[in-house]
Amino acid sequence: GNSVTQMEGPVTLSEEAFLTINCTYTATGYPSLFWYVQYPGEGLQLLLKATKADDKGSNKGFEATYRKETTSFHLEKGSVQVSDSAVYFCALDLLYTGKLIFGQGTTLQVKP
Amino acid sequence: DVKVTQSSRYLVKRTGEKVFLECVQDMDHENMFWYRQDPGLGLRLIYFSYDVKMKEKGDIPEGYSVSREKKERFSLILESASTNQTSMYLCASSLFEGSEHSNQPQHFGDGTRLSIL
Repeated sequence: GNSVTQMEGPVTLSEEAFLTINCTYTATGYPSLFWYVQYPGEGLQLLLKATKADDKGSNKGFEATYRKETTSFHLEKGSVQVSDSAVYFCALDLLYTGKLIFGQGTTLQVKP
Repeated sequence: DVKVTQSSRYLVKRTGEKVFLECVQDMDHENMFWYRQDPGLGLRLIYFSYDVKMKEKGDIPEGYSVSREKKERFSLILESASTNQTSMYLCASSLFEGSEHSNQPQHFGDGTRLSIL
């Protein structure tokens, strides 16, 4: 079946540290892949997306590359800020449906 | 910008009550979704709709129903609320693309935190 697995959190980093949040997926066909972010007390916002193999999505200093050979879409940022503290969700789309399958979410805490 | 508005941020109800959660989007999106979010479980799809009067069951529809009488509005109904329905409920909408890939992102409301006592 289709599924998304994220690394367990919480992830705690100091400001300006390098961030990686791992995401792997199982899917039929070649889905589009997404990262969403949820700040405290808010809904989810699209952070970035990639629609085919080797695509790199990027936004606000975050990047993720669609790796078909390893079925992964890891989120990275070179230097995190306190304002990046949030829950991050990896997701894939089910072909022809418009539906998304979400990972369980990874909480990031950035300390000054 | 797309705006998805959920009628309440916080709601407290009693077991056995019929509960209505309302969601309105302002971008003429065809697709609308209801999720619940619980710690450690991520987002789970309850129901979704591709068009007015249409509805499809998601992964956890038991104990819920939905209504979509107008394109911009998608209501989630708890027929007889129970304590295990205490959760954060999120509504989302997206544009129908009609192609193999859904390159259109889903846009989310801020959520309704529902407590059933």
